[in-house]
Amino acid sequence: AQSVAQPEDQVNVAEGNPLTVKCTYSVSGNPYLFWYVQYPNRGLQFLLKYITGDNLVKGSYGFEAEFNKSQTSFHLKKPSALVSDSDLYFCAVRDSRSGGYQKVTFGIGTKLQVIP
Amino acid sequence: GAVVSQHPSRVICKSGTSVKIECRSLDFQATTMFWYRQFPKQSLMLMATSNEGSKATYEQGVEKDKFLINHASLTLSTLTVTSAHPEDSSFYICSAPGQGVKGSSPLHFGNGTRLTVT
Repeated sequence: AQSVAQPEDQVNVAEGNPLTVKCTYSVSGNPYLFWYVQYPNRGLQFLLKYITGDNLVKGSYGFEAEFNKSQTSFHLKKPSALVSDSDLYFCAVRDSRSGGYQKVTFGIGTKLQVIP
Repeated sequence: GAVVSQHPSRVICKSGTSVKIECRSLDFQATTMFWYRQFPKQSLMLMATSNEGSKATYEQGVEKDKFLINHASLTLSTLTVTSAHPEDSSFYICSAPGQGVKGSSPLHFGNGTRLTVT
């Protein structure tokens, strides 16, 4: 079985400071990892993904994430937070061994609050 | 980029009636679509996988007779909540996988449907 843990319900950070939203995962094979952001009463929007290659992946809106296999983590980061980054962030994982479009497992979500 | 359109965005219905939610892939074909339900302050719960031309695959605990899924074409999947009750009130979201190597492509989500059953 695969699982995702987002240990923080909410993360507060001052505008201009670096932010980190934590994510750890568990899969049997190699992971496909994703970060999504959800705006209020909207669907999710893709930010970035790790499939293979460089452990540091860059995505939309200045976000990046670092894949750490030994710690089974995929933390979302941004060097300088903006108030407009305040939203709900979901980490997701899928086992690369699964054939076809097997389901993706989502974390419970982390509310990011950037304080002006 | 790939766009998924979901309609309606909000619906209020009376208890006992049925509601249909549509999910369309606008600029790509989707042989598979996913339907989720999201409770307040909770993650997305996968309800079912919609397969074009065949029966949907429902997750454990999801009533297939209550949540009817039809994937009639390569661009349209519908979810019908039959005989809706107040406990069915929730935020329903559909998604479709993007193009590219299976499983490595991100999901493209509709904007969701807020269902309120009175």
